[in-house]
Amino acid sequence: GAGVSQSPSNKVTEKGKDVELRCDPISGHTALYWYRQRLGQGLEFLIYFQGNSAPDKSGLPSDRFSAERTGESVSTLTIQRTQQEDSAVYLCASSSDLSNQPQHFGDGTRLSIL
Amino acid sequence: EDKVVQSPLSLVVHEGDTVTLNCSYEVTNFRSLLWYKQEKKAPTFLFMLTSSGIEKKSGRLSSILDKKELSSILNITATQTGDSAIYLCAGTNFRTGNNRKLIWGLGTSLAVNP
Repeated sequence: GAGVSQSPSNKVTEKGKDVELRCDPISGHTALYWYRQRLGQGLEFLIYFQGNSAPDKSGLPSDRFSAERTGESVSTLTIQRTQQEDSAVYLCASSSDLSNQPQHFGDGTRLSIL
Repeated sequence: EDKVVQSPLSLVVHEGDTVTLNCSYEVTNFRSLLWYKQEKKAPTFLFMLTSSGIEKKSGRLSSILDKKELSSILNITATQTGDSAIYLCAGTNFRTGNNRKLIWGLGTSLAVNP
């Protein structure tokens, strides 16, 4: 597609429920990133996928968070047993495999945990 | 620990003013510095700087990197209300393997009043 697409754009759920967020990267982009942005705060790295390499999961805050990516396309970020502190905007970005290329972001999913 | 620090944290100006936003970095094996503009949703890419002293320009926006001072500035001339946004700065480094995480600053919130 023309840009990074994320869905849903907004998600409101009750504490304790599981949520799944989706990201469609720009076609041909092999690198995909997930970030979390809490209100009034900076971008917090969560996880990075690059082609068929093992993902860099070093930013995942707890074992309730996991992410998958199918080949070089869609990625899903899953948060199990959601907590109120999980409320944030979850941003996905992709970049090409060419050396030192910028990341391009989707519009994010605003997650609110009641 | 690698870090990126932006200043000021927030700024209020009148239309037509010129503003300068600052970004300083401490990044091991520094590779490049990126500027993004974030309005309501996704950060949009502005500039990537890799070489010291070479100005990048796009319309009323320009940016330059100073590797000696470990810093960069983003200038906006003749500001307009549409320039109101959070301006984010991020650093990248040369790393082994495929990991290419960005090190993000907290951003400068710019408000341009009519």
